[in-house]
Amino acid sequence: KAGVTQTPRYLIKTRGQQVTLSCSPISGHRSVSWYQQTPGQGLQFLFEYFSETQRNKGNFPGRFSGRQFSNSRSEMNVSTLELGDSALYLCASRRAGGPETQYFGPGTRLLVL
Amino acid sequence: GQQLNQSPQSMFIQEGEDVSMNCTSSSIFNTWLWYKQDPGEGPVLLIALYKAGELTSNGRLTAQFGITRKDSFLNISASIPSDVGIYFCAGRTDTSGTYKYIFGTGTRLKVLA
Repeated sequence: KAGVTQTPRYLIKTRGQQVTLSCSPISGHRSVSWYQQTPGQGLQFLFEYFSETQRNKGNFPGRFSGRQFSNSRSEMNVSTLELGDSALYLCASRRAGGPETQYFGPGTRLLVL
Repeated sequence: GQQLNQSPQSMFIQEGEDVSMNCTSSSIFNTWLWYKQDPGEGPVLLIALYKAGELTSNGRLTAQFGITRKDSFLNISASIPSDVGIYFCAGRTDTSGTYKYIFGTGTRLKVLA
């Protein structure tokens, strides 16, 4: 069974630009969560989507947004990029509807110059 | 952002030695999880613990869910070079079907052959 896939794997942007990251969950998984990982702050939860609805949200500014499509694929958007947005963005999926745990994708490494 | 206290922060060990790391929190969790992350990849789930006092093994790995529900530890027996990586704990709360994950600061393991 294929794992969680994320595209692109690497991305370089400049301050002020916007970026969209994509995540395809494991087949049959309906919940998708997004995380930001930095050396200073570690792994921080951004938001979770289930059935195209945001169910849970972390403490990030409104520049960070996401959405989920009917096939459970999810996108995350960051507008007006700042230098501090440079990070590894991880997507995780789980089946949902129970205590099943989540499985991570390889991440998208974003560098903001 | 919130992170769990994980120790040690890093460790060098000889191949064949046993390794212990732990994670503590001021909050109670319903579930404790342990992940390993290799460079350039997302975290991979190693062990999930669902009940206070639970002791679970996965090959050479053993983890326990503390009875206070505020801590967990992970042991690796007879370490091998491929154990190198960063190990993260994560505590999960479940509020009316909404799951929230808080990750530890990570333990970087280096194995000397």
